[in-house]
Amino acid sequence: DVKVTQSSRYLVKRTGEKVFLECVQDMDHENMFWYRQDPGLGLRLIYFSYDVKMKEKGDIPEGYSVSREKKERFSLILESASTNQTSMYLCASSEVSGLDEQFFGPGTRLTVL
Amino acid sequence: RKEVEQDPGPFNVPEGATVAFNCTYSNSASQSFFWYRQDCRKEPKLLMSVYSSGNEDGRFTAQLNRASQYISLLIRDSKLSDSATYLCVVAGGYSTLTFGKGTMLLVSP
Repeated sequence: DVKVTQSSRYLVKRTGEKVFLECVQDMDHENMFWYRQDPGLGLRLIYFSYDVKMKEKGDIPEGYSVSREKKERFSLILESASTNQTSMYLCASSEVSGLDEQFFGPGTRLTVL
Repeated sequence: RKEVEQDPGPFNVPEGATVAFNCTYSNSASQSFFWYRQDCRKEPKLLMSVYSSGNEDGRFTAQLNRASQYISLLIRDSKLSDSATYLCVVAGGYSTLTFGKGTMLLVSP
């Protein structure tokens, strides 16, 4: 089974802190994605990556950056956390195409105070 | 027009009922369609792909109407364990998937 793991299940940070969310997949998938999920807004794509060191902006990239130094690892970075970034963050991976089935990690619930 | 639209529900049905969810999408060039299921406080997981000819998996049937840009999911003989949020998913911009906001289903005894 594909396994996607995220570094933390719950995280509490203060406004202005730099936050790192880590995601690792163990199935040699080409593509990795970061979403945030908020009540009433659904899943929104923040950034995605088709290959190592490659990144593409999704629908809501403002205030975020990403890093993919190794194929299995995709990091989401909040350079200066703000309260409106309080959300559930979900990482996903897919095998070859961005249109393939996506496998999700368990999510990180981030609260910014 | 939003890319993928779903009735948010909740749909409250008794065990054994048949329930149908609908979804409309705006990108007429979309080629891939899916239904995902998300349990409370869990991550989304693929329920089934949706093919032009329609497809069935046990109690679940998915249909696609390209002319109307419409996707449906039918659940027969609902079980308590079917209670979840069902996400309609369409190949969107950037060659990635676009998720609808989901329809919540609550199956009661």
